[in-house]
This record gives sequence, C-alpha cells and structure tokens, in this order.
Amino acid sequence: SYVLTQPPSVSVAPGQTARITCGGNNIGGKSVAWYQQKPGQAPVLVIYYDSDRPSGIPERISASNSGNTATLTISRVEAGDEADYYCQVWVDTSDHVVFGGGTRLTVL
Amino acid sequence: EVQLVESGGGLIQPGGSLRLSCVASGFSVDSKYMSWVRQALGKGPEWVSFLYSGGASYYADSVKGRFTISRDNSKNTIYLQMSSLRAEDTAVYYCGSSPSQQHVMDWGQGTLVTVSS
Repeated sequence: SYVLTQPPSVSVAPGQTARITCGGNNIGGKSVAWYQQKPGQAPVLVIYYDSDRPSGIPERISASNSGNTATLTISRVEAGDEADYYCQVWVDTSDHVVFGGGTRLTVL
Repeated sequence: EVQLVESGGGLIQPGGSLRLSCVASGFSVDSKYMSWVRQALGKGPEWVSFLYSGGASYYADSVKGRFTISRDNSKNTIYLQMSSLRAEDTAVYYCGSSPSQQHVMDWGQGTLVTVSS
C-alpha cells in the first residue's frame, strides 16, 4: 500500500515561512491535496491538484510537488495558521485515498 | 453554497450495526464524488469509502465487506451502512464531496461513532 510520510511537527516564528513536507514513492506523479485542521473542526482543503487553491484560501499558502516530495509552504505565518496539516493522494491503481500522518504547525 | 450534514452516530456495542446519513444541499449527490472519511481521537483522517457519480463504490481494506455506501437521489442523501462494528471503528465520521476523486473539497461537521460495550 502507498505510504505518505510527514514530519510530526514544524515550528516557526510569526512572519517567517513554514515548509511542511510529504514524502511518497514518486509522489510527483500523483496529484496532491493538503488540508488544514484546527482543534474540534473538520479538515479544510487548502491545496488541490498539487498547487491550486480553493476560493478563500490566501495566496500566502502555496505548494509544489516533484520527485518523491511534495511541499506545503506558508509565507508570512500568522498565529491563525497554527493547526494540523495533512497531505493526501488518490492512488489510481486501487481507487483508494491515502492521507499522510499529519504535521502540527506551531507558531512560536 | 454546498452544505453537508451528517447524522446517525452514537454508542453501539461491538458486533452491532449503524447507519450514518449525510444530507447534501447546494448540489445533487449524484453529480459529485461523495466520500466518507473518519478520524479517531488524536489521529489523522482515514479514508473509508467513495461513491462515484456513475455509481461505482470503493472501500478501504479495513472496512471492506462490513461497510456499504449508498445514495438516495430523491432525498439528496448518502448513507454509510456499518455492520460487524469493532472498537477500532470508533471515530468521528465525516461526509465529503468533490468534483474529483483526487481530493475532498467540502466536508460536513462530522458525527461521532463509539463502539464499546
């Protein structure tokens, strides 16, 4: 089965740039989505098709995907960005969806 | 505006059955990819099942043979029939919708299922 690997935590000071990685075998050949989840709330899609943003998601949030690593980048980090972030892909060979284990972003 | 409202969760004994419902508004459930995703307390999301607009359904290995996804177009509702429930099925169950199977665009607020004696 396909596995997505994320670092458990990332810490960044306000105003700095946070980068959260998602590793997977040839993930660059798949379409990656990213979700933000705050305590007690449902996940929110922040990136789909590797780098597209749904309406309402600020341009500070961007992403890339190549080789074996996808990366979510949050520029000019704010206190409100503190949350858990999950990457996700669809595995076409099995029509299954896989989520990464999640990364907790802490704003110092 | 897309809205998804789940219901049907509760406390159920191991081996029991439960049916979750997800009422959609703002679109037709047969026009999008509908999904169920669950999340155990303190854990990440786990995909459970997909129902494609064309009617095909897919399941995670952990629930295959025990869970069934379906829809009622007249009620604009999708269901998750769960049987032979186990303690490890305890989670918040979210309903999701999307124009693509490659991500979940919109999410409901979730319904809690607790499997315990």
